[in-house]
Amino acid sequence: DIVMTQSPATLSLSPGDRATLSCRASQSISNYLAWYQQKPGQAPSLLIYGASTRATGIPARFSGSGSGTEFTLTISSLQSEDFALYFCQQYYNWPPWTFGQGTKVEIK
Amino acid sequence: VQLLESGGGLVQPGGSLRLSCAASGFTFHNFAMDWVRQSPGKGLEWVSVISASGAETYHTASVQGRFTISRDNAENTLYLQMNRLRADDTAVYYCAKKTCSGGSCNSPFDSWGQGTLVIVSS
Repeated sequence: DIVMTQSPATLSLSPGDRATLSCRASQSISNYLAWYQQKPGQAPSLLIYGASTRATGIPARFSGSGSGTEFTLTISSLQSEDFALYFCQQYYNWPPWTFGQGTKVEIK
Repeated sequence: VQLLESGGGLVQPGGSLRLSCAASGFTFHNFAMDWVRQSPGKGLEWVSVISASGAETYHTASVQGRFTISRDNAENTLYLQMNRLRADDTAVYYCAKKTCSGGSCNSPFDSWGQGTLVIVSS
């Protein structure tokens, strides 16, 4: 199985700050990488797919980059609604499709 | 797109449950569908996938032989039959839509249901 490792586990930032979240794959996954946002009590929702393509309706402050084994999700200026849990997921090699353990972006 | 799961609950170890996911707002029979579960100890875990036609199904190793995914395209409903349940199956189960039709296609999950909680405990 491909292991997805996210860092840091928790990111404490203030509104307006820039957030940089990392995701590493245990082997190359090309650009078959998605990012999801999950708010408390809600299901995950798709933010980014293909490592860098924003899903429908996702604001431009969210951007993704990377390929191969190293990926980054950047939130350029944190809004109050962005404080949440973020997961990466590889959909290159299956079964199984695998997720990272998550990065919590919390208010400092 | 709307996905609405049901069927979760408390069940004893060794018991069975059948989860359902009612889909609307898209052409259900054109897309592969998955079940993904989330537990505090294991995070998000992919469980099962079924192709748009229902001809292909795959399960993660830990549920192989115990869980069966199926779909009724006439009723726009996805199912997960869970047998011989164990404590480590305790989780919120989400149905999730793919952007492609094959069971093995490379696709993110572009829509998720709100989840249904399964608790396996005596």
